[in-house]
Amino acid sequence: NAGVTQTPKFRILKIGQSMTLQCTQDMNHNYMYWYRQDPGMGLKLIYYSVGAGITDKGEVPNGYNVSRSTTEDFPLRLELAAPSQTSVYFCASSRTSGGRNYEQYFGPGTRLTVT
Amino acid sequence: QQQVKQSPQSLIVQKGGIPIINCAYENTAFDYFPWYQQFPGKGPALLIAIRPDVSEKKEGRFTISFNKSAKQFSLHIMDSQPGDSATYFCAASLTSYGGSQGNLIFGKGTKLSVKP
Repeated sequence: NAGVTQTPKFRILKIGQSMTLQCTQDMNHNYMYWYRQDPGMGLKLIYYSVGAGITDKGEVPNGYNVSRSTTEDFPLRLELAAPSQTSVYFCASSRTSGGRNYEQYFGPGTRLTVT
Repeated sequence: QQQVKQSPQSLIVQKGGIPIINCAYENTAFDYFPWYQQFPGKGPALLIAIRPDVSEKKEGRFTISFNKSAKQFSLHIMDSQPGDSATYFCAASLTSYGGSQGNLIFGKGTKLSVKP
């Protein structure tokens, strides 16, 4: 299993540009998540999905959009990039069973710079 | 109610020392407390986790101590090695619930350096 894969690894955007961060998992997990990580600030949840076709906002959703058309893929879309979106972005997935959430598996991250 | 406070922000110990990282939470309904380890340039990975029905859990050199009445839990690393140098995150969640209530709330992280 490849686990959780993310592309690209690095990207530089100009202010106002748009891009999509790709995330794929091959563990058949129903839950998927997008986080951003800023120095000294831990991990902030942007969006999450409990299954294909179902998404919901996390703590910091402004400026981002997501979709979940399949179990495996959970792309994150940045519209009109701003310097405040400079960060490292992590995708994660987890399974639920019997009403309980289990371990989240993280991808390697995408380092995004907006200038 | 939803915060997890982690301290210290950074920690330097000598090889063989026992670094201790502390976390405090507010929501008494939390029932899952994992610790994640993150090496530079990598994503976080689950290190060890505990549920509130036990006061301590050991896996190898890593131990979680849990104090339910104080709403605190801590990570101890026995006989620390330079390879343990990483950032450590505590987290908490309500695993019995779906949706947003089941999401992990992370602390801000502790950067650990173990000197040879």
